[in-house]
Amino acid sequence: NAGVTQTPKFRILKIGQSMTLQCTQDMNHNYMYWYRQDPGMGLKLIYYSVGAGITDKGEVPNGYNVSRSTTEDFPLRLELAAPSQTSVYFCASTSDSYGYTFGSGTRLTVV
Amino acid sequence: GENVEQHPSTLSVQEGDSAVIKCTYSDSASNYFPWYKQELGKGPQLIIDIRSNVGEKKDQRIAVTLNKTAKHFSLHITETQPEDSAVYFCAAILSGGSYIPTFGRGTSLIVHP
Repeated sequence: NAGVTQTPKFRILKIGQSMTLQCTQDMNHNYMYWYRQDPGMGLKLIYYSVGAGITDKGEVPNGYNVSRSTTEDFPLRLELAAPSQTSVYFCASTSDSYGYTFGSGTRLTVV
Repeated sequence: GENVEQHPSTLSVQEGDSAVIKCTYSDSASNYFPWYKQELGKGPQLIIDIRSNVGEKKDQRIAVTLNKTAKHFSLHITETQPEDSAVYFCAAILSGGSYIPTFGRGTSLIVHP
């Protein structure tokens, strides 16, 4: 049981490039989330999904897009990367039991 | 919406001492309060949680208390060890909906050997 798997672990992007952060969970969780974590700022919700085919914006969605075609996968797309998107990104999932399972994170630097 | 305040932002203790981290929340409808531990370079991990119908919960050296009237909850770690050093996040979740927690800003706990 792998839990929540995120790839890549590290990435450096140039300004204006695009990339997709991958997130996969094998726990059959309906709810999935993307957070960004900046130093001293805690966790900010980017997007979330309550099931396949359903997504919604969180607190800081600008510059990002998501899709949820299957229960297992919830990729996060960055279009036209900007320095402000330099952060650590975490994917998480849960069933209806409230407690999250987090992935190990993707550290992204935009230069 | 919900607002969660967490204090202190940094806590330094000697090995064997107790550590207490406090959080307050604003929305009385919140009914679930998890605590997460984040070690350096890793994702947060759920360590203990409490629901609004319970006042206290213990798991070995860690415990969480909840005061619904005052709208605050606390994490207690006894007999701290160096491996307890990490960032700890509290959170509050409103009943129903999409299980989106409001997180505190985190407490960096440093346990000195």
